[in-house]
Amino acid sequence: NAGVTQTPKFQVLKTGQSMTLQCAQDMNHNSMYWYRQDPGMGLRLIYYSASEGTTDKGEVPNGYNVSRLNKREFSLRLESAAPSQTSVYFCASSLKYFGPGTRLLVL
Amino acid sequence: GENVEQHPSTLSVQEGDSAVIKCTYSDSASNYFPWYKQELGKRPQLIIDIRSNVGEKKDQRIAVTLNKTAKHFSLHITETQPEDSAVYFCAASIERYSTLTFGKGTMLLVSP
Repeated sequence: NAGVTQTPKFQVLKTGQSMTLQCAQDMNHNSMYWYRQDPGMGLRLIYYSASEGTTDKGEVPNGYNVSRLNKREFSLRLESAAPSQTSVYFCASSLKYFGPGTRLLVL
Repeated sequence: GENVEQHPSTLSVQEGDSAVIKCTYSDSASNYFPWYKQELGKRPQLIIDIRSNVGEKKDQRIAVTLNKTAKHFSLHITETQPEDSAVYFCAASIERYSTLTFGKGTMLLVSP
């Protein structure tokens, strides 16, 4: 039982490059979330999926897209990365369980 | 939307002392209040939560109190230990809408 897993752990991008952050959970939860964490800002919700087949915007959705591929997987895509997207990204399953995070640096 | 304020931003205590972190929320419809502990470089981990039909909840050295009228809730840690040093986040949710709003965090430092 792995809980919530995320890939990659670290990534460096150049401005304008694209990438997809992957998240998977094995706890059969309906809801999944993507947060970003910046110093002094706490955790801010980017997008969430209350159930398979649905996605909704959170507090800071601009520059991101998501896909709820199935009940287990919820991916976050940056189509054209910007330095302002340098952050630590956490996926969460239900309101309680977080993944280990992805540290993203955009140059 | 919901707004959660958390105080203090940093808290330094001596080992064995108690620590209290306070949060206020704006939406009276919020009914679920979790607390997370995040150690340096790690993921946030749920340590205790409380629902609006309960005024207090304890789990060993940690407790959470909720005052619905005043719209504030607090985390109490007794007999602090160096391993309690971390950043603590409060959050609030209207559970049926299934999203959390987080406070900005409190860095707790416990000195031996």
